[in-house]
Amino acid sequence: AQRVTQPEKLLSVFKGAPVELKCNYSYSGSPELFWYVQYSRQRLQLLLRHISRESIKGFTADLNKGETSFHLKKPFAQEEDSAMYYCALKGFQKLVFGTGTRLLVSP
Amino acid sequence: EAGVAQSPRYKIIEKRQSVAFWCNPISGHATLYWYQQILGQGPKLLIQFQNNGVVDDSQLPKDRFSAERLKGVDSTLKIQPAKLEDSAVYLCASSPNTDDEQFFGPGTRLTVL
Repeated sequence: AQRVTQPEKLLSVFKGAPVELKCNYSYSGSPELFWYVQYSRQRLQLLLRHISRESIKGFTADLNKGETSFHLKKPFAQEEDSAMYYCALKGFQKLVFGTGTRLLVSP
Repeated sequence: EAGVAQSPRYKIIEKRQSVAFWCNPISGHATLYWYQQILGQGPKLLIQFQNNGVVDDSQLPKDRFSAERLKGVDSTLKIQPAKLEDSAVYLCASSPNTDDEQFFGPGTRLTVL
């Protein structure tokens, strides 16, 4: 079975502070991991995927197979980063989402 | 390019009634997905189509939910009869093919009273 765990429902930081949104997964095969984001009143959209190894809007995420984690990081949070973030795993051609973490960046 | 369209955006019904949702994917996208997102949870895949064929419907409660994509373009998702626990946002997504990025619609918020 494939499972994604996001332990924090809410993460509140001040502008300019570092951010780390935690994601752990359980999957027997070789996973594809993603981060999706939903800004207020907008659609769910892909933020980044581990195979591309790129930085999007200053966010990065590294797949750690030993710790089965795919944490999302940004060194300096901005107010416009406030949103709902979902970690997702693709296995057996199916996308499985975590429960999401709401990031709130205060001025 | 136009995004995934869904209607209605909101629907309120009483339990045991029927309801249908409509999705128009991005033009040319072969793969279409329906997700259910209950408050406080992440989206859960209900059914995946590749053109007009079903790829995965393992999590679709088939005693009350049905979905079709007859011409391989638009899709409808139906619930008959609805239960209180069906209250959720129903998301439609599409992708060029199975391994490609999924693009999500705005969702339909269903409230069952």
